[in-house]
Amino acid sequence: QQQVKQSPQSLIVQKGGISIINCAYENTAFDYFPWYQQFPGKGPALLIAIRPDVSEKKEGRFTISFNKSAKQFSLHIMDSQPGDSATYFCAASRRRTSGSRLTFGEGTQLTVNP
Amino acid sequence: GAVVSQHPSWVICKSGTSVKIECRSLDFQATTMFWYRQFPKQSLMLMATSNEGSKATYEQGVEKDKFLINHASLTLSTLTVTSAHPEDSSFYICSASGDRDADEQFFGPGTRLTVL
Repeated sequence: QQQVKQSPQSLIVQKGGISIINCAYENTAFDYFPWYQQFPGKGPALLIAIRPDVSEKKEGRFTISFNKSAKQFSLHIMDSQPGDSATYFCAASRRRTSGSRLTFGEGTQLTVNP
Repeated sequence: GAVVSQHPSWVICKSGTSVKIECRSLDFQATTMFWYRQFPKQSLMLMATSNEGSKATYEQGVEKDKFLINHASLTLSTLTVTSAHPEDSSFYICSASGDRDADEQFFGPGTRLTVL
């Protein structure tokens, strides 16, 4: 019940294309769904996050789509750039009064070709 | 805002020695800090959660006597790998969350540990 499944494992996109990464969760108590971007040798950086009261959130070229009934959420990167090449992790947590514990997906290695 | 630092960024040590890694929240008070371990091309694995002034809560399978965690203040947590062995070589990452939004975790840049 704590798993978050992420796909695909790797993704190659041409510059200017749309990158789509999908995640599915099992625990219906999860109520916070962030996406992290990680470059080699660096810590993850929060990219965008969504809560289940909305179905979509957009920040610049990054959009999260959330389907509560299907227990799925996805990251869309519009106009993908070579600088977006990194590993992306989805995660989920259940709100607590302090320190919500994140459950991470397996990660997607994105390569954007010039 | 919400910057987390780690020190050192990389460390090489001999087998049997202990190594301390520091995690600091630079511009906010971290009520909770998390320690993760990451192997190459794998996801982050949570090792333990610590709240300021309390004992850390370790995940199943993580040896608390080997990975000592201290969260003595609202801006500093330390992870000490005791009697390190080559299999402890990994990328260790801390994260912190504060009062403003307990859901949001801010990650440090990570520490690469190599045990010879």
